Amino acid sequence: EVQLVQSGAEVKKSGESLKISCKGYGYNFSRYWIAWVRQTPGRGLEWMGTVHPGDSKTRLSPSFQGQVTISADKSIDTAYLQWTSLKPSDTAMYFCMRAASWDLPPFDYWGQGTLVIVSS
Amino acid sequence: QSVLTQPPSVSGAPGQAVSISCTGSSSNLGARYNVHWYQQVPGTAPKLLIYDNVKRPSGVPDRFSGSKSGASASLAITGLQAGDEADYYCQSYDYRLSGSRVFGTGTKVTVL
Repeated sequence: EVQLVQSGAEVKKSGESLKISCKGYGYNFSRYWIAWVRQTPGRGLEWMGTVHPGDSKTRLSPSFQGQVTISADKSIDTAYLQWTSLKPSDTAMYFCMRAASWDLPPFDYWGQGTLVIVSS
Repeated sequence: QSVLTQPPSVSGAPGQAVSISCTGSSSNLGARYNVHWYQQVPGTAPKLLIYDNVKRPSGVPDRFSGSKSGASASLAITGLQAGDEADYYCQSYDYRLSGSRVFGTGTKVTVL
């Protein structure tokens, strides 16, 4: 059974760094892209970017360039989303998803979500 | 900022049918990119409901159907059930935004 399992909720302070993870089970992790989206009540779902674990190629949304880093370690079937300096506006639910390519195919499996809370 | 526009809410009685629109532009739906639909029950992750405009993943009831015409798409739900109460999002690709995936604004379906 295909599953994406994300790391647990985080409570951080403004300026701190953070790396959350998404581990794949039940399929060849290296062959599918992993994307990340941010969900907030005010802005809905926003696509942040994507990584191909097989060769570590990434595509970032212009809205998130310079704000986050997306990476993957195919040896442990895990993708990551990281910040070097969090802001209160980064408070959101973050989901990872799988897709057959970086652009057009649907997100057929989703992680359960990681809640990130950043206080000032 | 969402570039696909959906109505904030729709509602219907059990057994009735509802429809959700998704309006895009010439750089996404109007450029013939496919639309996908996701269902998000409160407190859970979104789930793929319709892909490539009209296709249903295995396990999705045929009460859910999709269509697309020009720069607009629609999701129809027939025989509304209490379990259909959720948020629904359309999603596509936009070539203008340095090649980005884009989501709709989301529609809350309420079963009266």
